[in-house]
Amino acid sequence: EVQLLESGGDLLQTGGSLRLSCAASGFTFSSYAMSWVRQAPGKGLEWVSTVGVRGGDTYYADSVKGRFTISRDNSKDTLYLQMSSLRAEDTAVYYCAKGVRATARDYFDYWGQGTLVTVSS
Amino acid sequence: DIQLTQSPSFVSASVGDRVTITCRASQGISSYLAWYQQKPGKAPKVLIYAASTLQSGVPSRFSGSGSGTEFTLTISSLQPEDFATYYCQQLNNYPLTFGQGTRLEIK
Repeated sequence: EVQLLESGGDLLQTGGSLRLSCAASGFTFSSYAMSWVRQAPGKGLEWVSTVGVRGGDTYYADSVKGRFTISRDNSKDTLYLQMSSLRAEDTAVYYCAKGVRATARDYFDYWGQGTLVTVSS
Repeated sequence: DIQLTQSPSFVSASVGDRVTITCRASQGISSYLAWYQQKPGKAPKVLIYAASTLQSGVPSRFSGSGSGTEFTLTISSLQPEDFATYYCQQLNNYPLTFGQGTRLEIK
């Protein structure tokens, strides 16, 4: 059974940093692109970032480019999102999502339960 | 960036009704479109990919169609468990984008 378990969400102040983790199990993690998608309270879904299977190809939404870094450790079956210079508008539930192929640009067939990041001024 | 506009944003319907949700892209995206269902407090779940392919395990009352700039998600006969919010997502270009969502409520 595919499982994605996010962790690391917290309440922090504007300008702070945080690292989210997503522990994967039930599939060959190193064979699939992985992504982060967020959802602000009461709002819609926003794609944040995607990383390819080897970690070298990364893609970001303009709203986080230069502040967030996606990475993966295939030896630990874990996806990360390093977030810095956090803003109030980064407040959201952050979901980890699995792609369906090694190719980065594809839909998401499994999602984690989400982890809440709250940025307060 | 490719903008996706869903219509309607809100729909009220009854069990057994047929419902169609439209997603329009600001530029052509071929068939690189997926549909997701999200229930309150839960993660999204994929229903349709490649515009019209039903994800394994999804009931056949869900169907998708379209290509280019106009797409539809149809639920042929609403069931109580279908009341949720639905999102389209384009996979043609980065940044990947979602529609704003369509909330489907019980009449």
